[in-house]
Amino acid sequence: EAQVTQNPRYLITVTGKKLTVTCSQNMNHEYMSWYRQDPGLGLRQIYYSMNVEVTDKGDVPEGYKVSRKEKRNFPLILESPSPNQTSLYFCASIRERVSPLHFGNGTRLTVT
Amino acid sequence: EDQVTQSPEALRLQEGESSSLNCSYTVSGLRGLFWYRQDPGKGPEFLFTLYSAGEEKEKERLKATLTKKESFLHITAPKPEDSATYLCAVSSGAGSYQLTFGKGTKLSVIP
Repeated sequence: EAQVTQNPRYLITVTGKKLTVTCSQNMNHEYMSWYRQDPGLGLRQIYYSMNVEVTDKGDVPEGYKVSRKEKRNFPLILESPSPNQTSLYFCASIRERVSPLHFGNGTRLTVT
Repeated sequence: EDQVTQSPEALRLQEGESSSLNCSYTVSGLRGLFWYRQDPGKGPEFLFTLYSAGEEKEKERLKATLTKKESFLHITAPKPEDSATYLCAVSSGAGSYQLTFGKGTKLSVIP
């Protein structure tokens, strides 16, 4: 089954404790992206990647890192999480330009 | 800068009461307009892509239409299982992968 898989689904952590949210897609898509979704603010893009070793900032990149060492994986790294990064995070991939994004099922992160 | 505005923010309908959701957009060269459905705590699920003004797409009780300034998602005789947040997004520019999302319309269908 074609899918984007994120792990974990739920994560509670404390301020400053480094964490990684994994994302993997099995559709051989070149483009992958991370979003956060907050009430009243909608979906906002954090980082995206056009291909292996090619990443770029989205609208809200501060406090986040990404890497793209393999085509299928695009982990999101929070080096020193803060409470304002409490949010619902989505990874997504796209087959080609102007085609639908495929979203993962989300990771709900709480930073205390 | 591309902008997408969805209205209303929330909509309550009685089961069977048809209505429409609006997505207004301002872009420099529309490449495609996308509709998604999102259930609480889950990832958005793709519904439709519209590419040019006048285009229409249908799926069950949903019908999406597109003009040069806006798109409508018409819901005919909705059922409670149609309750969800509906998101609109646009792709513009020279073959961009980037999408700009609206904030969504939360639809509640009451039995």
